[in-house]
Parts: sequence; C-alpha cells; structure tokens
Amino acid sequence: DTAVSQTPKYLVTQMGNDKSIKCEQNLGHDTMYWYKQDSKKFLKIMFSYNNKELIINETVPNRFSPKSPDKAHLNLHINSLELGDSAVYFCASSQSYISQPQHFGDGTRLSIL
Amino acid sequence: QKEVEQNSGPLSVPEGAIASLNCTYSDRGSQSFFWYRQYSGKSPELIMSIYSNGDKEDGRFTAQLNKASQYVSLLIRDSQPSDSATYLCAVNSGNTGKLIFGQGTTLQVKP
Repeated sequence: DTAVSQTPKYLVTQMGNDKSIKCEQNLGHDTMYWYKQDSKKFLKIMFSYNNKELIINETVPNRFSPKSPDKAHLNLHINSLELGDSAVYFCASSQSYISQPQHFGDGTRLSIL
Repeated sequence: QKEVEQNSGPLSVPEGAIASLNCTYSDRGSQSFFWYRQYSGKSPELIMSIYSNGDKEDGRFTAQLNKASQYVSLLIRDSQPSDSATYLCAVNSGNTGKLIFGQGTTLQVKP
C-alpha cells in the first residue's frame, strides 16, 4: 500500500499548456504539502493545507493553484506552463503541521518542451 | 546567508567506516530537525527526527543536535555501499510546518 501517491509520475508537455498533478495519502494525516525540486536538487516548499485549510502559501507564481477537496487529497494545477516550471514536484503529508515529520510521495517529473 | 547549510560533497568513505554529515541553520527559533535520505531519481525518505539537544540513536544512525551552536549532524556507523545517496537536512521555520531544506550532502561509500 502506497502511503502518499502522486499521479502522473511523468508529465511531458509544451509551453503554454495547463496541467494538473494529483496527490492522495492513506495515512490519516491532517496536513499535506507541495514541494518543488529543481535541477540542482534544491527542495523548496510551495503550499501546505491542514484539513483543507491553506496554511503555507510561499512566493509562487499565481499560475500555480492548489486545491484540497478533503484532507486526504491535495492537487496542484498549473496554468500557462513555462520552461522554468520543469522540475520534480513532490507531495508530502504529516500527522499535523506542528513539529511532525513529513512523508513524501514518489514525485512527478514535469518536463516542458 | 543560506538558512540551512550543508557541504554538498561528495563525501567519500570506505565501507565499514563512520560517515559524518553536518548541517548548520540560521533560525534560532527552530525546534524540529530532520534528516532525509534521497537516492538518485527517488523521493526523500525520512531517516531521523530530533527535537532536543544531545544525541539520538536509531540502529546505525545517530543524530546530534546543538541548538546553542545551531548545528545538527548525522553519523552513520558501519557505512555500507547501499548508504550511498544524498542526505538532506531539514529544519522547521515558524509554526506552520514549513521545513527549510539544505542543498544536501552526497555520500559515496566505496566497497
């Protein structure tokens, strides 16, 4: 059983397109996150939701919009994709947002042509 | 100044040796510290969490925290080739669950 699962694993698309990445966790955790890992392997938080409420909203272009329909799901929609959006996007979850370790999904590798 | 700093390496150790990975952080208010291991092309995997000063041991891994010096380290005893990976230090910032990651240290364990 995969604890934090993301779909798709790979996403290859052209500049200007709109795409979505889905994430689901079956750990019963309250908090979910989106991270971006760039080509230099630097991992940076983008958003987090706690029980469907937005908690962290980092300085991210407003082309990126997260949505959490329930506490087990957190999706990421990206409009008007740009070359610089190419990266690996990781979803993570934790029991709560206070001092709890975060568990990562397998990642979605996004490549913009 | 980077918020969480690690030596990018690579750190090369022979099989069976102790690998010592270091991390410094800038936020004196940080309370939670984590070490993750990331194999190439894979996701970060939690190895250790530490919250108070001193040492915490789990199998071959020992995390050490010194809040006064703003320093956290990870020791891997009896290093194995399978330990070869990038080790990420993560430190909490504020009370929103935000983690700041270092750039990672690449460890190579040579047979």
